[in-house]
Amino acid sequence: AQTVTQSQPEMSVQEAETVTLSCTYDTSENNYYLFWYKQPPSRQMILVIRQEAYKQQNATENRFSVNFQKAAKSFSLKISDSQLGDTAMYFCAFMKQRRADKLIFGTGTRLQVFP
Amino acid sequence: DGGITQSPKYLFRKEGQNVTLSCEQNLNHDAMYWYRQDPGQGLRLIYYSQIVNDFQKGDIAEGYSVSREKKESFPLTVTSAQKNPTAFYLCASSIRVRDETGELFFGEGSRLTVL
Repeated sequence: AQTVTQSQPEMSVQEAETVTLSCTYDTSENNYYLFWYKQPPSRQMILVIRQEAYKQQNATENRFSVNFQKAAKSFSLKISDSQLGDTAMYFCAFMKQRRADKLIFGTGTRLQVFP
Repeated sequence: DGGITQSPKYLFRKEGQNVTLSCEQNLNHDAMYWYRQDPGQGLRLIYYSQIVNDFQKGDIAEGYSVSREKKESFPLTVTSAQKNPTAFYLCASSIRVRDETGELFFGEGSRLTVL
């Protein structure tokens, strides 16, 4: 069975600084997807970034980038130039290829951005 | 705007009562999901539906029931058989269950409190 571990329950960062959220996972699958979802205090969860396991290049979306280490089964999220609007709960998630019914979420990291 | 609408946002229930949470989407997605979110436990899948008149149990289906009579609607009933119903419930949708993007679109959630 797949598992997703987020070992940092809470983190904080000052505005304009960079922060990295950690995620590790365990799987015997070779083809899979990894995600970071953001849940702001308004509660609507949105997709931040997505990584296909077969791609060696790390995904980036504006200020958000990942460090995907397939052999180490590590998938960290880096937020550059942090903004107050980045304050949210961040969930790492694993999905077997083409199986959204098998999406496994980590326990989340609460990020607070301070002015 | 396209999206997912959940109602009510807050709900209180006495022990022994059934309660139904509403979820409506106008994204024309085939697949819909119900998750339960508890502090420190991430999201756990309750039920999902691939298509109208079809639904499947997730990891924690006991004490819950669903229906999918229309593509747009996927209501969740929390029955009196659910031993610990107080939680935050999230509805989500995706283009299909077996979609290569794996992206879920979420509603804002419903918080159920059993008194």
